[in-house]
Amino acid sequence: ILNVEQSPQSLHVQEGDSTNFTCSFPSSNFYALHWYRWETAKSPEALFVMTLNGDEKKKGRISATLNTKEGYSYLYIKGSQPEDSATYLCASKIYNQGGKLIFGQGTELSVKP
Amino acid sequence: KAGVTQTPRYLIKTRGQQVTLSCSPISGHRSVSWYQQTPGQGLQFLFEYFSETQRNKGNFPGRFSGRQFSNSRSEMNVSTLELGDSALYLCASSLPEGRNSPLHFGNGTRLTVT
Repeated sequence: ILNVEQSPQSLHVQEGDSTNFTCSFPSSNFYALHWYRWETAKSPEALFVMTLNGDEKKKGRISATLNTKEGYSYLYIKGSQPEDSATYLCASKIYNQGGKLIFGQGTELSVKP
Repeated sequence: KAGVTQTPRYLIKTRGQQVTLSCSPISGHRSVSWYQQTPGQGLQFLFEYFSETQRNKGNFPGRFSGRQFSNSRSEMNVSTLELGDSALYLCASSLPEGRNSPLHFGNGTRLTVT
């Protein structure tokens, strides 16, 4: 059974706080790890696609790290802003499974001004 | 470039009916996948099509089917609708080559079964 788990389920922070979320995934037959941001009334938008152990990616105030040996990835948001409020999804892609992604339940982030 | 287009946006059907959802991918994207989102369940993979062939299928009953046309447009069909099929159905397209291709999602079709 392939499970992708995210924690916490939800997070409420103040504007300016830095925060991080965790995504754990089965490490066997790992192929890629995706992060998406899903704002209310919009469609999920890709943040990062990571494939190499130890990889770090950054996009503005958001960054992510990847550990494929132990099966986890962290997403960091520095100096959260109200516009960062969204659900953050991670998804695992297994080798030889084509385009199939297994999504976690997401972390719902709310940033109060 | 136009994004992924899904039609219709909203749909209300009654139990036992069937429904067809449509998805037009980004131009040049040949891989189209479908996901179901229900409260508390997250995004569940339905199936993926590439070059008119189903490449992968999730754990859904046979009432859920799909197809892809030569222009990469895809349709998803659900027959004999059940109340539990009420959900947001998302379509996503991607470039199938390489490990680094992200999914590009449409806005979804919200299906309500009464």
